[in-house]
Amino acid sequence: GAVVSQHPSRVICKSGTSVKIECRSLDFQATTMFWYRQFPKQSLMLMATSNEGSKATYEQGVEKDKFLINHASLTLSTLTVTSAHPEDSSFYICSAAVRGGSSGNTIYFGEGSWLTVV
Amino acid sequence: LAKTTQPISMDSYEGQEVNITCSHNNIATNDYITWYQQFPSQGPRFIIQGYKTKVTNEVASLFIPADRKSSTLSLPRVSLSDTAVYYCLVGDPDSGYSTLTFGKGTMLLVSP
Repeated sequence: GAVVSQHPSRVICKSGTSVKIECRSLDFQATTMFWYRQFPKQSLMLMATSNEGSKATYEQGVEKDKFLINHASLTLSTLTVTSAHPEDSSFYICSAAVRGGSSGNTIYFGEGSWLTVV
Repeated sequence: LAKTTQPISMDSYEGQEVNITCSHNNIATNDYITWYQQFPSQGPRFIIQGYKTKVTNEVASLFIPADRKSSTLSLPRVSLSDTAVYYCLVGDPDSGYSTLTFGKGTMLLVSP
């Protein structure tokens, strides 16, 4: 089946620094990818929709200058957390849509990336 | 934006069939219903997707009544490894699933 891969799976960074998380579609092209954030024991919250070749669309309350999204190719979207602070520590998950036939498009998720800001 | 409602938790035993029902009263005409499974510290894993009636694959069945205001995920003969959170999502594929919103999910605990 379709595979979405994230890297790194875990990252620790110092407060004030920036960290980049990559999301790749491994065996299909994804014009649209989605970035989610999940705190422990909570559900996933959509942060933004990443569109290949254009600006990302951010959900209300998500700072676009803090969470920079770049979707430069049909197989790669990146999320950069700029000037990270401890409250940005979370589990970040990306997903991508695979075009389907009669069953409709299907969203597949990456493995997730744990970010810890110290 | 179709909102979903699921039981917060369910308990079962190994070998039993588990049915998790999701309510989505304001589902739109173009919306599909998709179920995901999530283990701790992992991304959600696709289980099954459908639009109407019944869909079956190698791991589960999805039952959708004619009015599509609810759906039931059926897991046959669960094992301990099926302990996870299960999410029911409703969204429009043509919109790129930009309306895909996660509810709280159902925590399924399978005991020996």
